[in-house]
Amino acid sequence: RKEVEQDPGPFNVPEGATVAFNCTYSNSASQSFFWYRQDCRKEPKLLMSVYSSGNEDGRFTAQLNRASQYISLLIRDSKLSDSATYLCVVILGGNQFYFGTGTSLTVIP
Amino acid sequence: EAGVTQFPSHSVIEKGQTVTLRCDPISGHDNLYWYRRVMGKEIKFLLHFVKESKQDESGMPNNRFLAERTGGTYSTLKVQPAELEDSGVYFCASSQDRANYGYTFGSGTRLTVV
Repeated sequence: RKEVEQDPGPFNVPEGATVAFNCTYSNSASQSFFWYRQDCRKEPKLLMSVYSSGNEDGRFTAQLNRASQYISLLIRDSKLSDSATYLCVVILGGNQFYFGTGTSLTVIP
Repeated sequence: EAGVTQFPSHSVIEKGQTVTLRCDPISGHDNLYWYRRVMGKEIKFLLHFVKESKQDESGMPNNRFLAERTGGTYSTLKVQPAELEDSGVYFCASSQDRANYGYTFGSGTRLTVV
């Protein structure tokens, strides 16, 4: 079983839509969680950390559910520029960190 | 602040040849990581340096891969001899406090072994 599972999509949504991605992790001892964004043929860039209490950054909201072992990313009022692959990263501890395969999002005019 | 830089951005080599990838982390970042993404798979950890010391190299696929970070500044990743399955994108990342700030990635080296 993979340490981190993500629905690869693709998600095709119209501009202005709200879209949510989930990422599940298998190890309950996981310590830190992040969402990264990766544009085509570019490097992953940190989008936001995910805190237990949930956190928001503009149109983006990240949440962590330790009981069910998943993290989520909600994007409101989608823009064309949000089109990218979104990667979840789970850090178990020490150097044990795991990436999801990424969820592809395309925002359509 | 300069980001993480990697060189070359692309490399096409023949099976059996040697390739050396270079990563310059953000200045002051003691932690440097190498990752690899092969076609269709998730990004996977290769190894972690703290300054010049290898903290963890459990992700290195085999002894054809050699990473160094002399002086605790830039790092090199050498593949010798390269095999077809080594093709992929090699990312380097650096961090100060990974737990709170995550990583900053370089733009990657796209390696193609033919």
